[in-house]
Amino acid sequence: EAQVTQNPRYLITVTGKKLTVTCSQNMNHEYMSWYRQDPGLGLRQIYYSMNVEVTDKGDVPEGYKVSRKEKRNFPLILESPSPNQTSLYFCASTGSGGARNEQFFGPGTRLTVL
Amino acid sequence: AQSVTQLDSQVPVFEEAPVELRCNYSSSVSVYLFWYVQYPNQGLQLLLKYLSGSTLVKGINGFEAEFNKSQTSFHLRKPSVHISDTAEYFCAVILSYNTDKLIFGTGTRLQVFP
Repeated sequence: EAQVTQNPRYLITVTGKKLTVTCSQNMNHEYMSWYRQDPGLGLRQIYYSMNVEVTDKGDVPEGYKVSRKEKRNFPLILESPSPNQTSLYFCASTGSGGARNEQFFGPGTRLTVL
Repeated sequence: AQSVTQLDSQVPVFEEAPVELRCNYSSSVSVYLFWYVQYPNQGLQLLLKYLSGSTLVKGINGFEAEFNKSQTSFHLRKPSVHISDTAEYFCAVILSYNTDKLIFGTGTRLQVFP
């Protein structure tokens, strides 16, 4: 089954404790992206990747890092989480052509930073 | 700056009634337009998109949208809604010169009552 998976689905952590949210897709997609969803703000792009070893900042990259060492994986790293990073995070992927194509979204990761 | 405006944060409607969810965008360049739907506790799913051609676009689940360039709008419509249409709906835009980035509106929560 074609899908985007994220782990963990729920995470509660404390300020400053490094964490990684994993994202994996099995569709051989080139383009992958991370979004955060906050009430009243919709989805905002954090980072995206056009292909292996090619990443770029989205609209709200501060406090986040990403890597794209393999085509299928695109982890989101929070080196020193802060409470303002409490949010619902989505990973998405699509084929060549970038965001013009349908993006397939993962189920989301709900992160709470205390 | 380019932006997407969804004028209604919530739209309550009775089952079998028609519905229109409004979306306006501001851009000085040509755009590609999308509607995504998010069912409770799920990721986003593409409803429909406009890239070029006919301005009336038909999507899944009986939804359609019309691109109006002069009014910079892309309103979503359904002639008769079902309880199962209860969800959050996001309008999104891609600027023609930067197809890497999907810019989302803040979302409209459609609540269908029996």
